[in-house]
Parts: sequence; structure tokens; C-alpha cells
Amino acid sequence: RKEVEQDPGPFNVPEGATVAFNCTYSNSASQSFFWYRQDCRKEPKLLMSVYSSGNEDGRFTAQLNRASQYISLLIRDSKLSDSATYLCVVDNQGGKLIFGQGTELSVKP
Amino acid sequence: GAVVSQHPSRVICKSGTSVKIECRSLDFQATTMFWYRQFPKQSLMLMATSNEGSKATYEQGVEKDKFLINHASLTLSTLTVTSAHPEDSSFYICSARGRDEDTFGSGTRLTVV
Repeated sequence: RKEVEQDPGPFNVPEGATVAFNCTYSNSASQSFFWYRQDCRKEPKLLMSVYSSGNEDGRFTAQLNRASQYISLLIRDSKLSDSATYLCVVDNQGGKLIFGQGTELSVKP
Repeated sequence: GAVVSQHPSRVICKSGTSVKIECRSLDFQATTMFWYRQFPKQSLMLMATSNEGSKATYEQGVEKDKFLINHASLTLSTLTVTSAHPEDSSFYICSARGRDEDTFGSGTRLTVV
């Protein structure tokens, strides 16, 4: 079983749509969780950290369910510029970040 | 925000040659840097953890004699791919650990012909 699993997609949505990505992780001892965004052939960039209480940053909402070892990212009012691959990232308690395969999002006009 | 510079961004080399990739933290000191490799449509896979002033720690399956890492200062880590083969062609990305987050370099696309 992969340490971090994501639905690879692609998710093809129209502008203005709401889209949700899911992620599960296997290490119950993990303490830090993140969503990164990666554009084609570029480096990953931190989108937001994920906290147990859930957190929101503009159109983006991240949630964590420790009991189910499940992380989600919700994007509201999708923009064309949101098209990218979204990476679920979990620390493995050894100071290392473990990346999911990524979920590809394509927002169409 | 924190900036990490990675060079070169793209390199093409012949089989059997060595390639050095540099990763610099420009506005902060990084005791720890990480080297990743990403094949097309796949996730970033950690290759090694680079600690300033000590030997790098390699992940299982990564040959330390083939992927030489040097972290001689708090702002520079280098990865040298020795005796490169076509199967080493990949996207190599470094990151530097700051106080709050890991900042990534822009990556190096290596093509071995």
C-alpha cells in the first residue's frame, strides 16, 4: 500500500465549478499535512498546510480526519488558473515529506 | 518569502559522463536539504536527505556512490549524478528546510543520451 494515495484524475471541470480532492495516508503517527500545487514541468509550491480543525484560504478549504487518515481539498469557484496537479503531502515523522501521486485538475472555459 | 535557486534548469549529457546540480538557499540558512526525483506522471520520490557538515542519508534503493551529495555550507548542497545512463533521465528537484516550510528549487531536467 502506498504511504499517500490520491485519485490521479484528471478532473475536467468548467470555470466556476466546485471540485474536491481526496487523499489517504497510511502512517497514523504523521503530524503534518500539506497540499502542494505543481504546474507542468515546474517545482511544487505550497498551497496550504492542513490542520485538524480544518482551514480555509480564500476559495480553498482543507480538512483533516485523523481517525480515517483522510485529507481533503475543496476548491470553490474554479478559475482557469487553478489548472495544475495537486499533491497531497504528509510528513513521516522522520522529518521527511511523502508525496502522493497528485491529482490533475483541468478547468475549462 | 524564502527562495531556493537550482542550477542548471536543463542539461543534456552523454552516457557515462557526470552531471552536477546545485541547490542554493538564497535568503536563509538550511541545515537540511532534500533531493527528489520525479519521473513523468509520477510523484516526487525522495532520494536523499542532505545535512550540512555530515554525510547524506540515502533512501532505500538509491545508490550513494552513483548519486553523490555534498552539503558543505548552510546555503549550498550539490548532487552529482556519476556515470549517467539513459535511465537516469528524470526531473531532479531539491528543497531546503526553513523555519516554517520546505522551499523547492525550480528543478533540473536531466536527459542522458
